[in-house]
Amino acid sequence: AQSVAQPEDQVNVAEGNPLTVKCTYSVSGNPYLFWYVQYPNRGLQFLLKYITGDNLVKGSYGFEAEFNKSQTSFHLKKPSALVSDSALYFCAVAPGYSSASKIIFGSGTRLSIRP
Amino acid sequence: ETGVTQTPRHLVMGMTNKKSLKCEQHLGHNAMYWYKQSAKKPLELMFVYNFKEQTENNSVPSRFSPECPNSSHLFLHLHTLQPEDSALYLCASSQGRTGLSGNTIYFGEGSWLTVV
Repeated sequence: AQSVAQPEDQVNVAEGNPLTVKCTYSVSGNPYLFWYVQYPNRGLQFLLKYITGDNLVKGSYGFEAEFNKSQTSFHLKKPSALVSDSALYFCAVAPGYSSASKIIFGSGTRLSIRP
Repeated sequence: ETGVTQTPRHLVMGMTNKKSLKCEQHLGHNAMYWYKQSAKKPLELMFVYNFKEQTENNSVPSRFSPECPNSSHLFLHLHTLQPEDSALYLCASSQGRTGLSGNTIYFGEGSWLTVV
């Protein structure tokens, strides 16, 4: 069965420190991987995605994510956290082997950046 | 400002009321989705439309009735809802299904529904 896991419900980081939000997946074939961010009382906003090619993907607001096929992971990273990065982050995977494949969302990780 | 607009942003309705949520996408996409987001629960896919034809219904109760008159508009008609249906309802769109070429899903800001 296809699945995506975000093992941490909450991540706390001091402003200015690097941050990592973890995501692992289990799908057949070559996956398409996504990160979304949700600010309070807002919809999900697309941050970045991995389709193919370079394993390091750069996205909006200084975020990046690294696709690691051997570890089946797609962790979200940022070198220096801002208080404004505090939000709910969702990892998602589309199995990619069928046009009918559906995107599967993780349960979300709440990122809290303290001043 | 997103390319997917949802109205109303907030809705309070009684269990015997009939109301509708509206979604419009300005991105030229051909696939549209309804998701439900409840506290402490994963995002739930409800319905999928592709070229205004329903391609997926994830066992959603019949008190939720979707309508897609064209590729740019999607409605969710609500009737005789229960308090547990209170949630954030998110509309989204993509250029083709996400399984094909990793098309990105773009979300609207959501409609907060409270059933009293």
